[in-house]
Amino acid sequence: DTGVSQNPRHKITKRGQNVTFRCDPISEHNRLYWYRQTLGQGPEFLTYFQNEAQLEKSRLLSDRFSAERPKGSFSTLEIQRTEQGDSAMYLCASSYGPNTEAFFGQGTRLTVV
Amino acid sequence: EDQVTQSPEALRLQEGESSSLNCSYTVSGLRGLFWYRQDPGKGPEFLFTLYSAGEEKEKERLKATLTKKESFLHITAPKPEDSATYLCAATKASGSRLTFGEGTQLTVNP
Repeated sequence: DTGVSQNPRHKITKRGQNVTFRCDPISEHNRLYWYRQTLGQGPEFLTYFQNEAQLEKSRLLSDRFSAERPKGSFSTLEIQRTEQGDSAMYLCASSYGPNTEAFFGQGTRLTVV
Repeated sequence: EDQVTQSPEALRLQEGESSSLNCSYTVSGLRGLFWYRQDPGKGPEFLFTLYSAGEEKEKERLKATLTKKESFLHITAPKPEDSATYLCAATKASGSRLTFGEGTQLTVNP
């Protein structure tokens, strides 16, 4: 297993378009997290899954954002009607259980023009 | 509200000049304190987890310590390849999310 994989690595989109990102966690990890990071800031929590169940969502996750984890394996994060303020690095992480170390992917850099 | 604060924001060291990074936290029911290293354009890389006050962990030139209010990341005789942003994060016993500080950007000059 090579770790957490995220695709694409970079995405440039026009304002108003929809985008979808994919995350493949470490195979034996049952928890999967999404974070957003802007330049010079630490990552901010968006949402997390335990297996296929979405257990927590941040108030940062507006109704334009939706995340899924069908069958408890890979996850997708969709942003509808993108805005310039959505430009950020979107990070996915996975862990084996609660309060254990989370391992991050390399992120998807989103630029909304 | 849970809060994690790191200082300094940026630190420049000469190669071999030891120093410490600080992470202060206000988290009710702290369960774990995590340190990560992040290189530009990449995701955070896990370094350490600390669970109780007095705990210490070491890896090469890095040593992390934890008290009831803060954590320190000590860097001994740093090398240029230690240049990165160091992030600390906390989890609560009642939850699973990581609350991150804003990071300390470390530059080690040869």
